[in-house]
Amino acid sequence: SQKIEQNSEALNIQEGKTATLTCNYTNYSPAYLQWYRQDPGRGPVFLLLIRENEKEKRKERLKVTFDTTLKQSLFHITASQPADSATYLCALAGRSNTGKLIFGQGTTLQVKP
Amino acid sequence: DADVTQTPRNRITKTGKRIMLECSQTKGHDRMYWYRQDPGLGLRLIYYSFDVKDINKGEISDGYSVSRQAQAKFSLSLESAIPNQTALYFCATSDLAGETQYFGPGTRLLVL
Repeated sequence: SQKIEQNSEALNIQEGKTATLTCNYTNYSPAYLQWYRQDPGRGPVFLLLIRENEKEKRKERLKVTFDTTLKQSLFHITASQPADSATYLCALAGRSNTGKLIFGQGTTLQVKP
Repeated sequence: DADVTQTPRNRITKTGKRIMLECSQTKGHDRMYWYRQDPGLGLRLIYYSFDVKDINKGEISDGYSVSRQAQAKFSLSLESAIPNQTALYFCATSDLAGETQYFGPGTRLLVL
């Protein structure tokens, strides 16, 4: 069965450092992968989308890589700030243009000042 | 005003009761989705709709039903609530490309 895994343990880092979050998947061949941010008590908010033929995508302090051979995406936040503290979800989409996403369980990031 | 709204935001109900969660959107999107979120399990798709006449089951549709009253409104019903339906429920929308989803603020449901 299709499976997406994100680090279930919270990631604690110091302000100014780079945070790296991992998303691994099995038994799936996604057309694209997305990253969302979720704050407590709120709905997820879209951050970045990367397609299967793209290796890397950047947006301001965010960088996403996508390795379809390793079946892995890495999400980086450079120069992290306490305001970056949240849960980050990865989501995979198939090739059928249904818009259906399969979400990972999320990784909580805590940036300490 | 928020683009995707959900009512109620919090609901406590008893086992066996029928309840309805409502979602409205002002984004003009055709596609709408209902998810539930449980600790450690992530978001799971319950139902999705591509337009008023097109409704599809998701991963975990048993015990739920939906109604797409208009392009802007998509309701989720629990026909006979049970305690393991206690969860956080999210509505989401997307345009026809279906790539980016926009989520509502969620409804926290407790079934006693």
